[in-house]
Amino acid sequence: DTGVSQDPRHKITKRGQNVTFRCDPISEHNRLYWYRQTLGQGPEFLTYFQNEAQLEKSRLLSDRFSAERPKGSFSTLEIQRTEQGDSAMYLCASSLGTLFLNTDTQYFGPGTRLTVL
Amino acid sequence: DQQVKQNSPSLSVQEGRISILNCDYTNSMFDYFLWYKKYPAEGPTFLISISSIKDKNEDGRFTVFLNKSAKHLSLHIVPSQPGDSAVYFCAASARGNTPLVFGKGTRLSVIA
Repeated sequence: DTGVSQDPRHKITKRGQNVTFRCDPISEHNRLYWYRQTLGQGPEFLTYFQNEAQLEKSRLLSDRFSAERPKGSFSTLEIQRTEQGDSAMYLCASSLGTLFLNTDTQYFGPGTRLTVL
Repeated sequence: DQQVKQNSPSLSVQEGRISILNCDYTNSMFDYFLWYKKYPAEGPTFLISISSIKDKNEDGRFTVFLNKSAKHLSLHIVPSQPGDSAVYFCAASARGNTPLVFGKGTRLSVIA
């Protein structure tokens, strides 16, 4: 399977604990995005990388959240001191972006469902 | 302020008939639009897209229409099949290469 993969698929944690999620994008894709989806809403943008550079962060990304893409391949999203409001589906997407292509189609992974008790 | 709106939370259609899902947007900078399909507990699956230089794009049973003056797009599925039952999200980006802005989705039920 050459699609976007995410690990773990489900995570249950207690309030105050730290959690880390991993995303492996489609291999030739240089852009990687993190989104969050809660019940009844569409996915909401958190942050994105072009290669290893983090280019944009949403105001949704509080200082408890940090994301990395150390070698421009896989990415991790860490949430420190989790709160019940962090419970959501965390989605990763990747795309092949170029300066000359203004139609950047993002392909999503299966998501990580986080439940904070 | 919601920049992408899907005003119908749900839609029921009989198998074999046409499904029409609608989406409105407010940001005139949006120039690339996508439709995704989502099953429960899975990530969104890309269906079809359209650039603002076109007004129609077709792929098999799926056709997307874009009306830039009305800031409106629609997804037509014909004929509808029971396997099409899912939540459909409309998404948009500006300059075609920025983070996507999603609507809240429309749940389509295709009844056999």
